[in-house]
Amino acid sequence: DAGITQSPRYKITETGRQVTLMCHQTWSHSYMFWYRQDLGHGLRLIYYSAAADITDKGEVPDGYVVSRSKTENFPLTLESATRSQTSVYFCASSEQSSGNTIYFGEGSWLTVV
Amino acid sequence: GENVEQHPSTLSVQEGDSAVIKCTYSDSASNYFPWYKQELGKRPQLIIDIRSNVGEKKDQRIAVTLNKTAKHFSLHITETQPEDSAVYFCAAFTGANSKLTFGKGITLSVRP
Repeated sequence: DAGITQSPRYKITETGRQVTLMCHQTWSHSYMFWYRQDLGHGLRLIYYSAAADITDKGEVPDGYVVSRSKTENFPLTLESATRSQTSVYFCASSEQSSGNTIYFGEGSWLTVV
Repeated sequence: GENVEQHPSTLSVQEGDSAVIKCTYSDSASNYFPWYKQELGKRPQLIIDIRSNVGEKKDQRIAVTLNKTAKHFSLHITETQPEDSAVYFCAAFTGANSKLTFGKGITLSVRP
């Protein structure tokens, strides 16, 4: 489980500010994902990446930007944070796409005030 | 796209009883169905999974069954213990778009 780490774990920011959540994995997994978890909505996919330099939108991508210049890193940026983006964000990784186990990071609690 | 639904949203059982959590999915092309357990304040962790070529899988006190015709799968927990109290998420994976779609989760409470 220590193979995928997120930072910061807790963040409070103001509306309109840019925030970047970092995700790093040491397993060399091809696939990486960003989910947000909100009460009543479960886990919703924001963006995912099949490999370095390949990213694609998930269910709720608006207001977020991702990049994957290196296999091990998958940062998520909120370009101009809004209160509706207050959430718990989970980064995850998977060895390959064909239904392999997805491993989650510990989560980043973000509050936008 | 895939739609995964879980029912009920909360479930309370007496310690020692069995618990059954049901999920339905919409995409007949989905071929992998994991279950994740999330304890309060922790990350979701895989507890069991099943692929579309298998009807049932067991691991000690937990089992998962899959009915492809009806497009539903269920998690069965026997001899429940207080430490089984958590949120349980089902999910369905569709290879066509390489996405894992989660249900909204069910909160299981095991009463001592």
